[in-house]
Amino acid sequence: AQSVTQPDIHITVSEGASLELRCNYSYGATPYLFWYVQSPGQGLQLLLKYFSGDTLVQGIKGFEAEFKRSQSSFNLRKPSVHWSDAAEYFCAVGPRPPGAGSYQLTFGKGTKLSVIP
Amino acid sequence: ETGVTQTPRHLVMGMTNKKSLKCEQHLGHNAMYWYKQSAKKPLELMFVYNFKEQTENNSVPSRFSPECPNSSHLFLHLHTLQPEDSALYLCASSQRRASTDTQYFGPGTRLTVL
Repeated sequence: AQSVTQPDIHITVSEGASLELRCNYSYGATPYLFWYVQSPGQGLQLLLKYFSGDTLVQGIKGFEAEFKRSQSSFNLRKPSVHWSDAAEYFCAVGPRPPGAGSYQLTFGKGTKLSVIP
Repeated sequence: ETGVTQTPRHLVMGMTNKKSLKCEQHLGHNAMYWYKQSAKKPLELMFVYNFKEQTENNSVPSRFSPECPNSSHLFLHLHTLQPEDSALYLCASSQRRASTDTQYFGPGTRLTVL
């Protein structure tokens, strides 16, 4: 069965520092890959997604993620964190069509990011 | 109004109550989803509707009953819930029922079952 692992439950960084959030997946084939962010009291917002092509993907709010097939990883990075980035971040995978249920996303448990001013 | 809205934002109910959660999307999408978000657990997909037809029920107990009267509205009717049903219930929509289509989420309803 597919699974997504986010090994860090909680990360604290200083404002202006760089950030890397880890995501590893277990899947039969290379899935579609997503990162979502959830600010307090809000729903999830898509940061970026990878379907194919360039393995370095740019997203909104200055985030990027790199797909590494050999490591089954899709880590999220940001060179300089802002206080407004404090939120919970979720990695998700989805099957490539025509896989069964080719719309169901499998989410990780999330990584909560705290930012020190 | 834009995006996906959910009402109420907070709900406290007893185990014998009947209540309903409402979701409305203003994006012209054709697929709508209910998710359950519990502490320390991954987001769980509960139900999926595509063009008003339910296409997925992920082994959800019958005390949760969804309704989709049209492509813009989605309800989750709640009856005789258990304390372990306390969670954040998120609604989402997408243009099509496909993993390539971005899912847009509402802010959620925080449900507490006493």
